[in-house]
Amino acid sequence: GESVGLHLPTLSVQEGDNSIINCAYSNSASDYFIWYKQESGKGPQFIIDIRSNMDKRQGQRVTVLLNKTVKHLSLQIAATQPGDSAVYFCAENINGNKLVFGAGTILRVKS
Amino acid sequence: GAGVSQSPRYKVAKRGQDVALRCDPISGHVSLFWYQQALGQGPEFLTYFQNEAQLDKSGLPSDRFFAERPEGSVSTLKIQRTQQEDSAVYLCASSGQLRTGRGKLFFGSGTQLSVL
Repeated sequence: GESVGLHLPTLSVQEGDNSIINCAYSNSASDYFIWYKQESGKGPQFIIDIRSNMDKRQGQRVTVLLNKTVKHLSLQIAATQPGDSAVYFCAENINGNKLVFGAGTILRVKS
Repeated sequence: GAGVSQSPRYKVAKRGQDVALRCDPISGHVSLFWYQQALGQGPEFLTYFQNEAQLDKSGLPSDRFFAERPEGSVSTLKIQRTQQEDSAVYLCASSGQLRTGRGKLFFGSGTQLSVL
């Protein structure tokens, strides 16, 4: 369950359905973006990345879309599985030395 | 080791105590980062090392926070005179690339610090 202070948006999906997690980034000069997955008690785990000269990139069951016009990033997960349940963060690269993370979205997969 | 290792896993400190958090990055990784993650929030950048050089410490919240990586491998984040607002998970990450723009970060599981 949620703890006091945990006010992340939550996406609930049925097992087997597709999931779409959205993220708005802040800096129009950002040139590199990453999606991370974080399970309880663990550090963030890399999912997929995309550079600003691309609009779309596909991995295994995941696709990242980048819309620079509106500074929007999305992560699509195909055939969502219970193991996909986690908090998902987008991160943008600023000045090459650090990543700035978004607030995160909780994904809950219902069996 | 196979991944980034952090110790201790949990640390409870009384307000005013000093604490030291250790990070063992992936062997050979030149870049090392410290992040702070408050409950329900995304990680926030603290500082960045390239080998033993601390190139960016703009995220350290106060002069009570100090990080070092003297031999370009293991890093220690020290917090002096801890305060309750320091309670958070402290994450360490490493990368084989010189800049994050050319590679992904590998994170440890973090040290959960609770200041009473």
